[in-house]
Amino acid sequence: GQQLNQSPQSMFIQEGEDVSMNCTSSSIFNTWLWYKQDPGEGPVLLIALYKAGELTSNGRLTAQFGITRKDSFLNISASIPSDVGIYFCAGQNPFKIQGAQKLVFGQGTRLTINP
Amino acid sequence: EAQVTQNPRYLITVTGKKLTVTCSQNMNHEYMSWYRQDPGLGLRQIYYSMNVEVTDKGDVPEGYKVSRKEKRNFPLILESPSPNQTSLYFCASSFWAGELFFGEGSRLTVL
Repeated sequence: GQQLNQSPQSMFIQEGEDVSMNCTSSSIFNTWLWYKQDPGEGPVLLIALYKAGELTSNGRLTAQFGITRKDSFLNISASIPSDVGIYFCAGQNPFKIQGAQKLVFGQGTRLTINP
Repeated sequence: EAQVTQNPRYLITVTGKKLTVTCSQNMNHEYMSWYRQDPGLGLRQIYYSMNVEVTDKGDVPEGYKVSRKEKRNFPLILESPSPNQTSLYFCASSFWAGELFFGEGSRLTVL
């Protein structure tokens, strides 16, 4: 099945540093979503983007829907220990399958923070 | 509290012994889906259900079955589990296929 190319796969940073990760695809998407998975839990939606070029913030998190509709990035400013986890991008394919527009996930970026 | 509840959270079983992982949501969502999470592969969709009348295969349906007899429940059935089905499984629901609410996960080990 189709997958997104998410990078980097892992990051090791110092507390207080800024973080940047991105997702790219060969196909266009009409929605980009960013999820965070805390250790031992299910993914939780952080930010949803619905329009090409859209830039949306949620506290220290900022995400953008690429103008080509084939990419998206997530930035975290001034990282803190609770930012640790796995971040997933997800894109929604505009072509409907059985009435549903398919959601495709990236492989995830594992963020580790040294205090 | 709005939630997606999966059971069991942890299970160790043996090859060939049928098992069911239950999933229930209390948000009146039409759409429900099952994913498996494996290192380096992200979340891969197993099956999804648009509503109680429509259920279809995702990207990795082999070895799994589902049923959607009522809106709130969407159990995942492994008729004859094999070791390659050892994984972390997530159920998710939403009003549409995008902004998913995930359960806490069910870690399955097949020996």
